[in-house]
Amino acid sequence: GAVVSQHPSRVICKSGTSVKIECRSLDFQATTMFWYRQFPKKSLMLMATSNEGSKATYEQGVEKDKFLINHASLTLSTLTVTSAHPEDSSFYICSATGALNSPLHFGNGTRLTVT
Amino acid sequence: RKEVEQDPGPFNVPEGATVAFNCTYSNSASQSFFWYRQDCRKEPKLLMSVYSSGNEDGRFTAQLNRASQYISLLIRDSKLSDSATYLCVVNTGNTPLVFGKGTRLSVIA
Repeated sequence: GAVVSQHPSRVICKSGTSVKIECRSLDFQATTMFWYRQFPKKSLMLMATSNEGSKATYEQGVEKDKFLINHASLTLSTLTVTSAHPEDSSFYICSATGALNSPLHFGNGTRLTVT
Repeated sequence: RKEVEQDPGPFNVPEGATVAFNCTYSNSASQSFFWYRQDCRKEPKLLMSVYSSGNEDGRFTAQLNRASQYISLLIRDSKLSDSATYLCVVNTGNTPLVFGKGTRLSVIA
């Protein structure tokens, strides 16, 4: 089945540093990738939609200058959390889909802890 | 009305019980529907797609009711390992897949 690889799975960083998370579709071309954030015991929150070769579309309340998204190819999207703060600590999950009406396939998530 | 609504639960059921979840959606133009399962501190995993005619996969049965705009998931003979959060996902075609907030299921020995 379709596989989405997300890296790193866990990262601990100091406040003020930037962290890059990669999301790759391994066996299909992902025309659209999505980035989510999930706080403990809360539901998934869509942060942004990323289409290959164009600017990401951010959900209301998500700062595009803080969460930089790049979707340079049909198999790779990156999320960079810039100048991370402790309140950015969360579980970040990417997902990808190829064709319309196809299900989403999720990466295994990145647990970010900012100290 | 929210786009996709689910009863958050928790549903606490004994092993062997049958449990059903419903999920309502507001956009009548929705095209495809899915159930995902999410374990604690893990990413969601596709459980099954939901087809118009209904579909079954082992102990799991999914149904779609377009007239009333809901989908359902039935789990028979519940196992301890079925304990998870079950997410209903709807594709309206023009927007990102919309997730319900999930229904928590706890199967108790």
